[in-house]
Amino acid sequence: DSGVTQTPKHLITATGQRVTLRCSPRSGDLSVYWYQQSLDQGLQFLIQYYNGEERAKGNILERFSAQQFPDLHSELNLSSLELGDSALYFCASSVGQGSYNEQFFGPGTRLTVL
Amino acid sequence: DQQVKQNSPSLSVQEGRISILNCDYTNSMFDYFLWYKKYPAEGPTFLISISSIKDKNEDGRFTVFLNKSAKHLSLHIVPSQPGDSAVYFCAARSPSGTYKYIFGTGTRLKVLA
Repeated sequence: DSGVTQTPKHLITATGQRVTLRCSPRSGDLSVYWYQQSLDQGLQFLIQYYNGEERAKGNILERFSAQQFPDLHSELNLSSLELGDSALYFCASSVGQGSYNEQFFGPGTRLTVL
Repeated sequence: DQQVKQNSPSLSVQEGRISILNCDYTNSMFDYFLWYKKYPAEGPTFLISISSIKDKNEDGRFTVFLNKSAKHLSLHIVPSQPGDSAVYFCAARSPSGTYKYIFGTGTRLKVLA
């Protein structure tokens, strides 16, 4: 158990809909990262927050947005969902901003868009 | 464009033998590399890392080698155990301004008893 929790575990929705994925980092970790893993793909970095502020942006679509709240939990919002958005979405956390900090991953949320 | 490549999607090794997982990268600015292991239905877990100023890092049965001139790193597991069966991801850190980690597509290792 990494100490990172993600909810929900599974999510099934239809195209065009909007969903919110939630992540609670390990106690004491200030950074939260979001990754997408599509079928047969590696982990694609989406976005990083550190202590409530956006720190780094990867291949995140404009239809996706994220935020980190004062209690350090984070939410990833996916809107106007398309079939291709079906994937595993992982959240990870680390103590610092990511210099040489190990990232601890949550178990992931499996999103299926029908 | 895949900046971190794991060209072998799968690998099978006999228990007790050496497992060698390979990873190639294209960006010479990457300064830190990590290996993660992932079991089904779980998130990746950190295994071992190496800074670009080193060429080897060892932790128990796991050793990572870095060849900067070839832009290649490898993970050696000796001896391999059935519990090592998992998907292994290599990742590289891009130091350009804000730190981003770029992951490979993973290699599924199966250790046969």
